Amino acid sequence: KAGVTQTPRYLIKTRGQQVTLSCSPISGHRSVSWYQQTPGQGLQFLFEYFSETQRNKGNFPGRFSGRQFSNSRSEMNVSTLELGDSALYLCASSDLSGANVLTFGAGSRLTVL
Amino acid sequence: AQTVTQSQPEMSVQEAETVTLSCTYDTSESDYYLFWYKQPPSRQMILVIRQEAYKQQNATENRFSVNFQKAAKSFSLKISDSQLGDAAMYFCAYTGTASKLTFGTGTRLQVTL
Repeated sequence: KAGVTQTPRYLIKTRGQQVTLSCSPISGHRSVSWYQQTPGQGLQFLFEYFSETQRNKGNFPGRFSGRQFSNSRSEMNVSTLELGDSALYLCASSDLSGANVLTFGAGSRLTVL
Repeated sequence: AQTVTQSQPEMSVQEAETVTLSCTYDTSESDYYLFWYKQPPSRQMILVIRQEAYKQQNATENRFSVNFQKAAKSFSLKISDSQLGDAAMYFCAYTGTASKLTFGTGTRLQVTL
């Protein structure tokens, strides 16, 4: 079974630009979550999608948005990039059975210059 | 709001020895799950072990075991017979009724020869 696939793995953007990150969950997993990891703030929850609907959202400004497609693939978008958006963005998927175990992808490393 | 605290930023253990990583949490929920995730230098977040709050028995996965003290809201991870491959960041995490993980700040584990 293929794992969670995130693309791109690395990217560099400049302030003011926008970026779109993609996540393909494990086959059969309908829940996709996004997390931001930075040295200063640690791991923070961005949002969670299930069946194309956002079920939960973390404390991030409106510049951070996401969506989920009918095949459960998800994208997150950050508009008007700021230096502080430099981070590792982790996607995780779950089949929501039992303990809601999340399986993570390798992450997308975003650097904003 | 739920919080997870890891008070040990760094720990060191000799190969083949045993080490315990500490984690405390705060919640008013009665039904929840606790996890330990490992993040090696490759940055891929890997599930080490999970514990259902309603189960009194401590979870065990090969060399990894937990000491779950529900009343004290404590959830420590014991790694026995430590191996070089155990070197990584270890994150304690909580999930309750909301479909998201709350992470601690992590403990960096060094394994020495």
